[in-house]
Amino acid sequence: GQNIDQPTEMTATEGAIVQINCTYQTSGFNGLFWYQQHAGEAPTFLSYNVLDGLEEKGRFSSFLSRSKGYSYLLLKELQMKDSASYLCAVRSAGNNRKLIWGLGTSLAVNP
Amino acid sequence: GAVVSQHPSRVICKSGTSVKIECRSLDFQATTMFWYRQFPKQSLMLMATSNEGSKATYEQGVEKDKFLINHASLTLSTLTVTSAHPEDSSFYICSASLAGATDTQYFGPGTRLTVL
Repeated sequence: GQNIDQPTEMTATEGAIVQINCTYQTSGFNGLFWYQQHAGEAPTFLSYNVLDGLEEKGRFSSFLSRSKGYSYLLLKELQMKDSASYLCAVRSAGNNRKLIWGLGTSLAVNP
Repeated sequence: GAVVSQHPSRVICKSGTSVKIECRSLDFQATTMFWYRQFPKQSLMLMATSNEGSKATYEQGVEKDKFLINHASLTLSTLTVTSAHPEDSSFYICSASLAGATDTQYFGPGTRLTVL
């Protein structure tokens, strides 16, 4: 079957760095996405990885290892507004554009 | 760029009535739109994939006669919840796929449906 695993909850301190991991098992692979979702709001796109390596975008970076079926989202210089759910999603192979979604990691940033 | 709007943002209706939700891509043409529902503290559940000018593809367990999807143009898709019941109360979110190398999905702000 197809499966995406990520931790349910994480806690971090303002100003610190946090890494949110995601492992996946899918029938083929055609890209991995990270989204941020604040409570009561829709997800917003953070990053996309299709090749191995690190993609950096400001305070957020995302890493992918296709051989290990593994990705992480790295958040630096944490701010209170970063408290949200972080969703990992994978597009499997084929012409279908739909995504397979993880259950999300709820991150709480404390002062 | 890549802005998606959704209307209404919140709707309360009586049981048995129908509710239409609109999803628009404002600054790009979306060949594919997706409809999701999300219950509190749960992840997104894909309901259907909609391609412009063709019938929507529904996920297993989603009743196509109850959740009518129309994708009339490259910028507009609608979801109609027919004969709504209290168990249909949920957060409905659409996304539009920007065609290209990444096919990133951009989400609308969501519609909170409450059926009394």
